[in-house]
Amino acid sequence: DAGVIQSPRHEVTEMGQEVTLRCKPISGHDYLFWYRQTMMRGLELLIYFNNNVPIDDSGMPEDRFSAKMPNASFSTLKIQPSEPRDSAVYFCASRPGRHRENNEQFFGPGTRLTVL
Amino acid sequence: AQRVTQPEKLLSVFKGAPVELKCNYSYSGSPELFWYVQYSRQRLQLLLRHISRESIKGFTADLNKGETSFHLKKPFAQEEDSAMYYCALLNAGGTSYGKLTFGQGTILTVHP
Repeated sequence: DAGVIQSPRHEVTEMGQEVTLRCKPISGHDYLFWYRQTMMRGLELLIYFNNNVPIDDSGMPEDRFSAKMPNASFSTLKIQPSEPRDSAVYFCASRPGRHRENNEQFFGPGTRLTVL
Repeated sequence: AQRVTQPEKLLSVFKGAPVELKCNYSYSGSPELFWYVQYSRQRLQLLLRHISRESIKGFTADLNKGETSFHLKKPFAQEEDSAMYYCALLNAGGTSYGKLTFGQGTILTVHP
């Protein structure tokens, strides 16, 4: 199992451009999470899905950010338009269903986004 | 609202010295806590969880409900322990079930 897969691994873009980050969760996992990591703010939860349905998007910074999960094996995080302050590492994570012994989240390698 | 606080952003020790990474939490229910670790150029991974009461790579963490703490300890630090460490609290009820709240993280550097 390759684990959680994210693409691209690195993205450099110019301010104002649209950026799309992609994530493939571990097969069979019911939950998918998007996080942003910066030195100043640490690891912040942006949004998460349960069975492809968004449950909590309170961490999404503003309307420029949107996330979708069209099926159980794919999710996107889109930033439009991008700004330099969006520069960060974006992580996707997934976890199995609602059982006490399955509370571990499995993280992808992250996408390092640089907005110039 | 639930909250996790890691008061130290940076922690430096010498090899062989004891190390303690502090974590305090705020949660109205029965807490379930985790430590995640991120080694250089690797993905974030689970180090240990309090319900398992296990020792991983020599690290232990005890949940102290009275002090609302879950500090991570190791008696003799090794250079390979150098990494970013995150304490995390699980939301185990309600509509936000499954959500993890992370602390700010502590960068541990173990000097030779």
